[in-house]
Amino acid sequence: DAGVTQSPTHLIKTRGQQVTLRCSPKSGHDTVSWYQQALGQGPQFIFQYYEEEERQRGNFPDRFSGHQFPNYSSELNVNALLLGDSALYLCASSLRFTGIFHEQYFGPGTRLTVT
Amino acid sequence: AQSVTQLDSQVPVFEEAPVELRCNYSSSVSVYLFWYVQYPNQGLQLLLKYLSGSTLVKGINGFEAEFNKSQTSFHLRKPSVHISDTAEYFCAVSDGRGSTLGRLYFGRGTQLTVWP
Repeated sequence: DAGVTQSPTHLIKTRGQQVTLRCSPKSGHDTVSWYQQALGQGPQFIFQYYEEEERQRGNFPDRFSGHQFPNYSSELNVNALLLGDSALYLCASSLRFTGIFHEQYFGPGTRLTVT
Repeated sequence: AQSVTQLDSQVPVFEEAPVELRCNYSSSVSVYLFWYVQYPNQGLQLLLKYLSGSTLVKGINGFEAEFNKSQTSFHLRKPSVHISDTAEYFCAVSDGRGSTLGRLYFGRGTQLTVWP
């Protein structure tokens, strides 16, 4: 079982550019959540997807958008990059939350540096 | 929204000494509680979780935590630490029901450094 995988591992972009990060969930999982972890901080929830729709969203601007594909993999897109978007972006997968707890498994993250 | 406070940003300790990492959360309604560990340049690994039942929860690598509802705390403990326990530790809470079910709220982390 491959677990949660993310690509790329590292990325360097310039202010104003756009970036796409990718996540493949753990086998059997249908729900993907994205978190942003700035340096020295705890992860902050960005949004959650299942059935190819955004189901929950944290306090992030519309520059952050996502997508989930029929195979449950997901993309995180960030437009008009700012220096403050530099962070480790973590993807977590689980089974859909239906009132029963399902553990979230985290990927290794993508380190985004905006210059 | 939930909030999580980790009371110590850094905890230095000598090898084989006991350690406690403190965590308080904001809500007394139904919640799930977690401790995660993050090694340098890696993602998060679940150490232990409290969902319901016994207030003393045992996890991996010899860690345990105690849920105290009246004090809204979930402190992490280990009776004897090893050099390999050096890492960042995050306390997290998730609502047990409602529209934010499944969303994790994290504290700012505690850097545990174990010295020989």
